[in-house]
Amino acid sequence: GAGVSQTPSNKVTEKGKYVELRCDPISGHTALYWYRQSLGQGPEFLIYFQGTGAADDSGLPNDRFFAVRPEGSVSTLKIQRTERGDSAVYLCASSLSGGAGYGYTFGSGTRLTVV
Amino acid sequence: GEDVEQSLFLSVREGDSSVINCTYTDSSSTYLYWYKQEPGAGLQLLTYIFSNMDMKQDQRLTVLLNKKDKHLSLRIADTQTGDSAIYFCAERDGGATNKLIFGTGTLLAVQP
Repeated sequence: GAGVSQTPSNKVTEKGKYVELRCDPISGHTALYWYRQSLGQGPEFLIYFQGTGAADDSGLPNDRFFAVRPEGSVSTLKIQRTERGDSAVYLCASSLSGGAGYGYTFGSGTRLTVV
Repeated sequence: GEDVEQSLFLSVREGDSSVINCTYTDSSSTYLYWYKQEPGAGLQLLTYIFSNMDMKQDQRLTVLLNKKDKHLSLRIADTQTGDSAIYFCAERDGGATNKLIFGTGTLLAVQP
């Protein structure tokens, strides 16, 4: 597609439930990043994929968070046993192999609210 | 660790110039970016500068980089009400991940 697509745009879930957030990157972009943006803050890095593999997952806050990119294109961020503190906007970005001077194209994000 | 800092708020009158400042800590950063975020929207890349440059101009936008002081600024000439948004400075991690480290954002309010 023309841009990075994230679905759903909004998700409200109950505490303790499982959620999946989807990112469809720009076709041909090998690098894919997930960020989390809490209210009043800048985005914080969660995980980076180069192709199908998670090359850096050092930003995942704990083992309730997991992400996959099985075919090197679409990625899914999975959160188990959600907590109210997980409420945030989850942003996905893709780039041509690490951004360089071309920057990173961000999706519009998924706003997750845990009640 | 890496850190990027920005002032939280800037108010200007329409037609004036705006200058948004940013400091960063990672001296190995190769690229520095400015992103714009409007309410309820994603991040829009405005401009970027390579670390071996001092200045970059792109229409109404001028980026100044002082690598010695690790200081980056974004100047918007002839600021318009449509420029009202949050502006994020970001440095590209100098390691293999190339992840972005963002500041907390500066809210620019343009008064008519």
